[in-house]
Amino acid sequence: AQSVTQLGSHVSVSEGALVLLRCNYSSSVPPYLFWYVQYPNQGLQLLLKYTSAATLVKGINGFEAEFKKSETSFHLTKPSAHMSDAAEYFCAVSSNTNAGKSTFGDGTTLTVKP
Amino acid sequence: DGGITQSPKYLFRKEGQNVTLSCEQNLNHDAMYWYRQDPGQGLRLIYYSQIVNDFQKGDIAEGYSVSREKKESFPLTVTSAQKNPTAFYLCASSLYSSTDTQYFGPGTRLTVL
Repeated sequence: AQSVTQLGSHVSVSEGALVLLRCNYSSSVPPYLFWYVQYPNQGLQLLLKYTSAATLVKGINGFEAEFKKSETSFHLTKPSAHMSDAAEYFCAVSSNTNAGKSTFGDGTTLTVKP
Repeated sequence: DGGITQSPKYLFRKEGQNVTLSCEQNLNHDAMYWYRQDPGQGLRLIYYSQIVNDFQKGDIAEGYSVSREKKESFPLTVTSAQKNPTAFYLCASSLYSSTDTQYFGPGTRLTVL
């Protein structure tokens, strides 16, 4: 079984401040972990992906995430928020034993204040 | 341009009617997926297919049906048996399985009148 919990359905930061979006996962086998971003009324786009090659994963638009097995976490960070980062962010988990199915978190809406 | 398309963008249906949502990809991906998105509930998997002429139920398949007759196409039918069909529907594809990056279409917003 696999599951994802995103802590905080809404996060608000000031422009230029650190962005931290939290994701905890549960998986009985080595996980594949993803962060996707969704702008209003659009599909999702991949930000970054963890596949066990390196624990610190760098993605697009200055985002990165660190895989911490001991904490079962895969939090998303960005050192300095831009107005254009305002969107909804989803964490997702999959695995080779459940290769047809991904499980998505409920999403976190990021607001960036000027 | 490679990508995944969904049509129509907006769809209105009367209660008791079946409706089919289109999903096409030209990425040469084997796997395709249908998700339903409701506010505050993330994405829930309806059906997925990893190869032509084969598909599997996801977590919320009741009231939905799919076909996969061609690699490029994975249409979703919302039947009258679906009790609460108003939602945003997203189609996605990936190279082989869900451990690969999923590429999403722009979505179809279905409203039942």
